[in-house]
This record gives sequence, C-alpha cells and structure tokens, in this order.
Amino acid sequence: DSGVTQTPKHLITATGQRVTLRCSPRSGDLSVYWYQQSLDQGLQFLIQYYNGEERAKGNILERFSAQQFPDLHSELNLSSLELGDSALYFCASSLGGRGTGNTIYFGEGSWLTVV
Amino acid sequence: DAKTTQPNSMESNEEEPVHLPCNHSTISGTDYIHWYRQLPSQGPEYVIHGLTSNVNNRMASLAIAEDRKSSTLILHRATLRDAAVYYCILRDLNAGGTSYGKLTFGQGTILTVHP
Repeated sequence: DSGVTQTPKHLITATGQRVTLRCSPRSGDLSVYWYQQSLDQGLQFLIQYYNGEERAKGNILERFSAQQFPDLHSELNLSSLELGDSALYFCASSLGGRGTGNTIYFGEGSWLTVV
Repeated sequence: DAKTTQPNSMESNEEEPVHLPCNHSTISGTDYIHWYRQLPSQGPEYVIHGLTSNVNNRMASLAIAEDRKSSTLILHRATLRDAAVYYCILRDLNAGGTSYGKLTFGQGTILTVHP
C-alpha cells in the first residue's frame, strides 16, 4: 500500500459525459502528479501540483483540468469524453520541492472506460 | 529530459540474478538515475535511485558506470513477483520550469520470470 488513495477504482461512462477522479496523497506529501496510461501511449505525465499551485504541465488535453485543494487532495476533471480517453489514470504524490529527490508514490489507479 | 534506452524485454529463471541494463549517454551532471517498476494492474513503484555511486537497498542494487552513461539494475534472486515492467528514468531535481522533478516514463523493459 503506497498510501495514495484514488477513487473511483473503476468507472464506465458514455461519450460526451464528464467525470471527476479523486486523489488523496500520502500524509505529509505536498506534491501531486497525474498520469494517464493507455495501451498505445504508455505512461504519460499530465500535470503536477505543489501545495495547491500548478507546477508542471504535460500532454494534458484542454478538455481535462485538475486542481489541488487546501487539504492537499486533488481532482482530475475529464469532460466531453471520447472513446480514446479510456485509460488507467494514476495519481502520485511526493513530499515535493525542488532538488529534494523525494520518492514519488503511485496510487492503484482509476480505470476509466468510455463507451 | 535526457533519454534512456532499455531492451524491450528480458527473461530470467526464478532464484537467479537478473541484470537489467539502461543506457543514458546524454545524462547531465544533475540527473539522478531512478528505477521504477510496474507490476500487472498496479501503479508504478519505486525501486532504487542513485547519482554516481553504486546503491543497495532491500529490493535491488544499482550499478552506475564510472562515466554515468549507463547503469544496471540488479535483482539478486528473481522471484515470480518480480515479473514486471522496469523503467529507468533520469530525473533532474534541480530543474525549474516545467521539469520540477516529475518522472518521464519510456517504454521500459518487460521482465518475465520463469518458475
């Protein structure tokens, strides 16, 4: 158990819909990362937050957005869903901060199926 | 981010040592070498990391070439539970801007362990 909690574990929804994936980081971790893993793209970095502020952005679509709340949990919002958005979405956390070398711990992921 | 090159797949027998190679010829002085692995249907998990010297922990050993252009992850006695995708990742912990310590995953090495 990494200590990173993601909900829901599985989600099936229709095209055009909107879903929210939730992540609770490990206790004390200030940095949260979101990754998408699909069969053809591998593990892709989406976005990172540190203590409520966006710190790095990867290949995140405009239809996707994220935020980190004052209690440090994070949500990834996916809207206007397409079939190609079906993937495993991982949240990860670390103590964060530049140059700290802190280990990044991953949750078990949220399986999203768009039908 | 500096790139790494790993074999697509490797095979081993249970209870034998496994040496997983990684080439990173464009590594910079501030790049740490990280190894993560991903077991089937799970999130990636940290294995080990190092900068210049060889490192040991309870999971594995990391041997780093003197010129730092390559490294080898060593599993001393492979078990069936070690069957996973192993990722060698360079992480620039002093980077600002868009890097900020995130992990950039390549395709990794699929390790198969035979009973």
